[in-house]
Amino acid sequence: AQSVTQLDSHVSVSEGTPVLLRCNYSSSYSPSLFWYVQHPNKGLQLLLKYTSAATLVKGINGFEAEFKKSETSFHLTKPSAHMSDAAEYFCVVIVLSGGYNKLIFGAGTRLAVHP
Amino acid sequence: KAGVTQTPRYLIKTRGQQVTLSCSPISGHRSVSWYQQTPGQGLQFLFEYFSETQRNKGNFPGRFSGRQFSNSRSEMNVSTLELGDSALYLCASSLEQRGPYNEQFFGPGTRLTVL
Repeated sequence: AQSVTQLDSHVSVSEGTPVLLRCNYSSSYSPSLFWYVQHPNKGLQLLLKYTSAATLVKGINGFEAEFKKSETSFHLTKPSAHMSDAAEYFCVVIVLSGGYNKLIFGAGTRLAVHP
Repeated sequence: KAGVTQTPRYLIKTRGQQVTLSCSPISGHRSVSWYQQTPGQGLQFLFEYFSETQRNKGNFPGRFSGRQFSNSRSEMNVSTLELGDSALYLCASSLEQRGPYNEQFFGPGTRLTVL
């Protein structure tokens, strides 16, 4: 069965320092992987997606993620954190269920950014 | 283009009551999916509707049901509410969830509190 594991439930960084949010996946075939962000009292917003094209994927707000098949990882990074990046981040894998796409979410990583 | 809207945003009910939540998708989107988000279980898929038909269903009891109208608006109903039903209920719309993945756009959610 396909699944994702987010390795950290909380990550805390200082403003201006790099961000690393870790995600490992389990899949019997080449997966479609996504990162979503959820700000307080807001819905989820798609940050970026990997669908078997380039392994380095660039998203919105300066975020990027690298698909590494050998490590079964899809870690999210950003060179320099902003206060506005404080939010919860979800790694997501798409599974096919009865011919239809279904999103399987990781447990989430809460990112805190300190001045 | 207006985003996904959900009403009401907040709801307080007591055990045993029933509740109906509403979701209006982005204009032109025919697929509507519902998710439950709780601190303990994270984000879990409830069901997906397309052209007034439920096509996909998660592992939730029959107390959770939904429907979709001809204008693609969707409602979700929970009967005989339990304390554990307290959650953020998210609705997402997309063009189609069959075949290549189409991005799901999420609403802000309805926060249900069961007392």
